[in-house]
Amino acid sequence: DIVMTQSPLSLPVIPGEPASISCRSSQSLLYKNGYTLLNWYFQKPGQSPQLLIYSVSNRASGVPDRFSGSGSGTDFTLKISRVEAADVGIYFCMHAIQIPITFGQGTRLEIK
Amino acid sequence: QVQLQESGPGLVEPSQTLSLTCTVSGGSISRNEFYWTWIRQLPGGGLEWIAYIHYRGTIYYNPSLRTRVTISVDTSKNEFYLKLSSATAADTAVYYCTRFYHDLSGASNWFDPWGQGALVTVSS
Repeated sequence: DIVMTQSPLSLPVIPGEPASISCRSSQSLLYKNGYTLLNWYFQKPGQSPQLLIYSVSNRASGVPDRFSGSGSGTDFTLKISRVEAADVGIYFCMHAIQIPITFGQGTRLEIK
Repeated sequence: QVQLQESGPGLVEPSQTLSLTCTVSGGSISRNEFYWTWIRQLPGGGLEWIAYIHYRGTIYYNPSLRTRVTISVDTSKNEFYLKLSSATAADTAVYYCTRFYHDLSGASNWFDPWGQGALVTVSS
């Protein structure tokens, strides 16, 4: 299985400040067709996860441009340029390059 | 807009079978680009992919649960199902159904949307 490792696991941030979450995979997420299949999800407290970023850097519909994804191979980053109160929750990375699909442990973002 | 809704018993006795239904509304389950999926969130917060099924019957299971899991679909009802046998306390979780989009070119895939989740507790 591919192991997805996120850091930090807890991220206190002052509103208006940037935030960055790292996700590392135990093997490359470069698919045979040349695409890299790494997604980010956001789970607000008490809600279901929702798609945030797909294929490393593509924002899902309705996601503000404060959110950006980058990376390649085994090393990926989610960045929030200016954190808002609505960003509080848990962020998960996920690969879908092979079975089983696996998720990172989650990073809990809180307002400092 | 497609919506998914989980339903089923919230309490299951140990050694019994956990059974859940996911009802899909706002769109057909019989679409080529989608796989219909079960994911669970364990009490510690981690997400675990369980299985997914294509309406034509292709199924993929998580090997760690393969011997106990059955996923099925009923296109006439626009529903799909999860059965997890020999349940133990370790199966206590919030169970989500979701739709897996698989771009036929392989350029992207994702889980979206998700149901609201069903808490299932395994306890006597």
